[in-house]
Amino acid sequence: ETGVTQSPTHLIKTRGQQVTLRCSSQSGHNTVSWYQQALGQGPQFIFQYYREEENGRGNFPPRFSGLQFPNYSSELNVNALELDDSALYLCASSLDVGDKTQFFGPGTRLTVL
Amino acid sequence: AQRVTQPEKLLSVFKGAPVELKCNYSYSGSPELFWYVQYSRQRLQLLLRHISRESIKGFTADLNKGETSFHLKKPFAQEEDSAMYYCALNPSGGYQKVTFGTGTKLQVIP
Repeated sequence: ETGVTQSPTHLIKTRGQQVTLRCSSQSGHNTVSWYQQALGQGPQFIFQYYREEENGRGNFPPRFSGLQFPNYSSELNVNALELDDSALYLCASSLDVGDKTQFFGPGTRLTVL
Repeated sequence: AQRVTQPEKLLSVFKGAPVELKCNYSYSGSPELFWYVQYSRQRLQLLLRHISRESIKGFTADLNKGETSFHLKKPFAQEEDSAMYYCALNPSGGYQKVTFGTGTKLQVIP
């Protein structure tokens, strides 16, 4: 059984740029959630995707967008990067939308200069 | 609005001493509560959830709806329990909007 993987591990961008982060769900999982974790804080829910549709969104502006593909892998896109977007971005998958047990990936560390 | 509060950033206990990591929540409906743990250089992982009512690695947590609390307890701390602990709330139902607390770092002193 393959766990949740994320790429890249680290990323450095400049303000105003766009970034795409990628996540492969655990085998058999059709639901994926994305979180932003700033230094010293708990993860903050960005959104969730279930069978390629957005199934809930946290308090993040529209420049944070996502995609889920037929193989249930997922992308997080952030446009017009701001300094405050610097954080660890976590992806978590669950077996189904009703299953609240989530399996987390190792995260992507994004630094915006 | 849902909120999770973990009042302690750092909790230091001696090996063998009891541990209690506090978690209070605010939510108008029936939430599901979780504890996640992150050991050094490892990913975040689920420790336990209130509906399971089980003990994992000696840890237990009871949902107290009257006090809106979900404190994590262990009678005798072990060095390997040193980690970051996060309390999380998820609304019941198919919709997921998980709210995490800010976390408590547990340091077990040998």
